Amino acid sequence: GDSVTQTEGLVTVTEGLPVKLNCTYQTTYLTIAFFWYVQYLNEAPQVLLRSSTDNKRTEHQGFHATLHKSSSSFHLQKSSAQLSDSALYYCALSVRNTGYQNFYFGKGTSLTVIP
Amino acid sequence: GPKVLQIPSHQIIDMGQMVTLNCDPVSNHLYFYWYKQILGQQMEFLVNFYNGKVMEKSKLFKDQFSVERPDGSYFTLKIQPTALEDSAVYFCASSHGQGETLYFGSGTRLTVL
Repeated sequence: GDSVTQTEGLVTVTEGLPVKLNCTYQTTYLTIAFFWYVQYLNEAPQVLLRSSTDNKRTEHQGFHATLHKSSSSFHLQKSSAQLSDSALYYCALSVRNTGYQNFYFGKGTSLTVIP
Repeated sequence: GPKVLQIPSHQIIDMGQMVTLNCDPVSNHLYFYWYKQILGQQMEFLVNFYNGKVMEKSKLFKDQFSVERPDGSYFTLKIQPTALEDSAVYFCASSHGQGETLYFGSGTRLTVL
């Protein structure tokens, strides 16, 4: 079936060190775009990154991700984690399903950055 | 950026009562969604709505749930009757077209007593 698989559960990283959150996907539908969403405590999810181009790096707010269709992956990375990056991160993909679109979200990865 | 408005932000009701959650999506958006998030857990898909119809729904979208958007007004989620396990934050989201960004409202926190 269609699915988005993310790094499980909780990730803790020390401030200033790199962080990588994994995302792989599986779908039988036509994939249109790939996203990373971030949800801060008691807030709504908001888009962090969007990509629809294979092998092209996308960057925003110090985060970057490259879509690799050959390995069905869209990992999120940052070279130097900040305390304010602590949040819940969702990988998502937009697919076309017989004339309409739907989004598939992963289960989310909770990132905690410690001093 | 584009704003999705949700009304009310909090709702407390007694089990068995009916509740309607209202969402004012971005004005030119065509695709509408509801998601459910239980405290401390991940967000989960409930239903999507396009061209006046439910296109896809999850197992969480029980028979007691219904959605509609009459005459392009609010996109609503109705639960009748409510159950204790319906207590959660419900997020509405909308997007303009296929492959475009999904924008979320700030959620309605529903507490069923």
